[in-house]
Amino acid sequence: EPEVTQTPSHQVTQMGQEVILRCVPISNHLYFYWYRQILGQKVEFLVSFYNNEISEKSEIFDDQFSVERPDGSNFTLKIRSTKLEDSAMYFCASWGGTELSYEQYFGPGTRLTVT
Amino acid sequence: KQEVTQIPAALSVPEGENLVLNCSFTDSAIYNLQWFRQDPGKGLTSLLLIQSSQREQTSGRLNASLDKSSGRSTLYIAASQPGDSATYLCAVPLNTGFQKLVFGTGTRLLVSP
Repeated sequence: EPEVTQTPSHQVTQMGQEVILRCVPISNHLYFYWYRQILGQKVEFLVSFYNNEISEKSEIFDDQFSVERPDGSNFTLKIRSTKLEDSAMYFCASWGGTELSYEQYFGPGTRLTVT
Repeated sequence: KQEVTQIPAALSVPEGENLVLNCSFTDSAIYNLQWFRQDPGKGLTSLLLIQSSQREQTSGRLNASLDKSSGRSTLYIAASQPGDSATYLCAVPLNTGFQKLVFGTGTRLLVSP
């Protein structure tokens, strides 16, 4: 069964450093997302990406964040200068974009720890 | 603004019990509702998706129902097992065309042997 993969599974970084979280969505999917979950809190939407551009972003997704689909398979989230409050689990998801299935498929997540 | 709430926040039951988890949402104009399972420190596993035109969806011991008009969904787990212990999340997509999901607060389930 196709699956969304994410690397690394755990990333530790110092405050102020740049991090790139990587995702490989399901190959024929058209819509891609990043969500995050701070420990003990709800899963919250960060950004959606369609047709090689951001389609929607939340208030959390400020200028420190960016997303990219550098080739036909990878989807990345970059945080330019990490803050302590960026520590969270980051989930990538993808969706086929058709009425045949509205299900979003999630990756296993990257745990980001900012020290 | 869509808000999703789940009750109870935590539930502890002995093995073998049937149980019901509740999810409510404020905007009933949804395309679908998805139930997820999350083990501690792990990712989200999709359990069931109910389309807005459906009232029920079943997978093994799990049965999810949807009542759009009242803004509610329930996840029924039959004959619970210790391996069912996890946090269960429900989520609905916003009707923006890009299907971003709004998640509930989750129900933390503990099934004791």
